[in-house]
Amino acid sequence: EAGVAQSPRYKIIEKRQSVAFWCNPISGHATLYWYQQILGQGPKLLIQFQNNGVVDDSQLPKDRFSAERLKGVDSTLKIQPAKLEDSAVYLCASSLESSGGSIRETQYFGPGTRLLVL
Amino acid sequence: AQSVTQLDSHVSVSEGTPVLLRCNYSSSYSPSLFWYVQHPNKGLQLLLKYTSAATLVKGINGFEAEFKKSETSFHLTKPSAHMSDAAEYFCVVSENYGQNFVFGPGTRLSVLP
Repeated sequence: EAGVAQSPRYKIIEKRQSVAFWCNPISGHATLYWYQQILGQGPKLLIQFQNNGVVDDSQLPKDRFSAERLKGVDSTLKIQPAKLEDSAVYLCASSLESSGGSIRETQYFGPGTRLLVL
Repeated sequence: AQSVTQLDSHVSVSEGTPVLLRCNYSSSYSPSLFWYVQHPNKGLQLLLKYTSAATLVKGINGFEAEFKKSETSFHLTKPSAHMSDAAEYFCVVSENYGQNFVFGPGTRLSVLP
């Protein structure tokens, strides 16, 4: 089965520019997550979707970050405008569901997009 | 809110010796606990998970972890380290049946020949 796909793999931009990342989850996975992983730290959940609805976006800096999953399949994460501290790896993950059942909680991660803001 | 502490930022072992990576958690509810591994320039991979079934959980590549509620711990062990085990390991806690995932800061495992 195909894994979680992310693009681009690398992106270099200047501060105050805009950038967008794309994620295509594993087919049939209802739940999609975006994480930010700063160098030397564990991933931090930015936003969690269940189908096309937002379950948790409490740690998303909404003044500059936005995300959508309009058709409940693939998703886009946008940063506008970018700051130096946004330099990180942005990870996308998916799982079958987020409620009940042990198997459904397992998250499968994509390779990530490495962002460098200059 | 839940939290995760990984007591060692870096662990170094010799090949063939046991591995112990420590994890303590804080949770208001019955948590689900996970260990993920991240090899350099590769994606995160699930090693094992605890979701209120058996407290001793066996995972891939010979790893296992024991959930100890009284100690709020979920330490990861392996009897004999292999060079390919060198990677970053993350302990993760989740509440509410799959919501509110919180990652620990990670432990970097080095395996010496």
